[in-house]
Amino acid sequence: AAGVIQSPRHLIKEKRETATLKCYPIPRHDTVYWYQQGPGQDPQFLISFYEKMQSDKGSIPDRFSAQQFSDYHSELNMSSLELGDSALYFCASSLGTAVYGYTFGSGTRLTVV
Amino acid sequence: AQKITQTQPGMFVQEKEAVTLDCTYDTSDQSYGLFWYKQPSSGEMIFLIYQGSYDEQNATEGRYSLNFQKARKSANLVISASQLGDSAMYFCAMSRGSNYKLTFGKGTLLTVNP
Repeated sequence: AAGVIQSPRHLIKEKRETATLKCYPIPRHDTVYWYQQGPGQDPQFLISFYEKMQSDKGSIPDRFSAQQFSDYHSELNMSSLELGDSALYFCASSLGTAVYGYTFGSGTRLTVV
Repeated sequence: AQKITQTQPGMFVQEKEAVTLDCTYDTSDQSYGLFWYKQPSSGEMIFLIYQGSYDEQNATEGRYSLNFQKARKSANLVISASQLGDSAMYFCAMSRGSNYKLTFGKGTLLTVNP
């Protein structure tokens, strides 16, 4: 079965650079969630989209922005990167409010040096 | 605000034995969902089991069962017949109503010994 695809799997950036993370949800899923998991931490919700509109917002820094495109894929843009942005970034997708099928991608590991 | 508490930073269990991972939650919502995820060292987040707040029966999925005690606000995960491959970090998480923005606990690192 198709899963949530995240790219790239690994990314190394320098401080003050910009990074773009991509998420391709399971086909027909219309909702995308982004989470940030720092080293040794639990995942923290960043932002979500439903039908290409932002549906909820968590502890996302102003330096980050995200959107969901017409094909339902989503991108998380991160600017002025800081060392503390080093983390595992997860995307999850679901079909509306159906809990079964709520699936996480394998994550993008971002390292800021 | 919602809060998830996992009081066991680490747990050890012998292969083939059962183990219970604790999770308590705090919410003022009547409608909520409780999830358990497994995160191996490779990093992916693997869904294990889900319990809705209105579900009267405890959820089960193969070797996983969720001991849901609503009055005590607890949602413990029971893994029967532990396997070496069960060694991983386990997260309890909560959703609010039909919004699946999840709030996670700090996790429990389970080690299965041969």
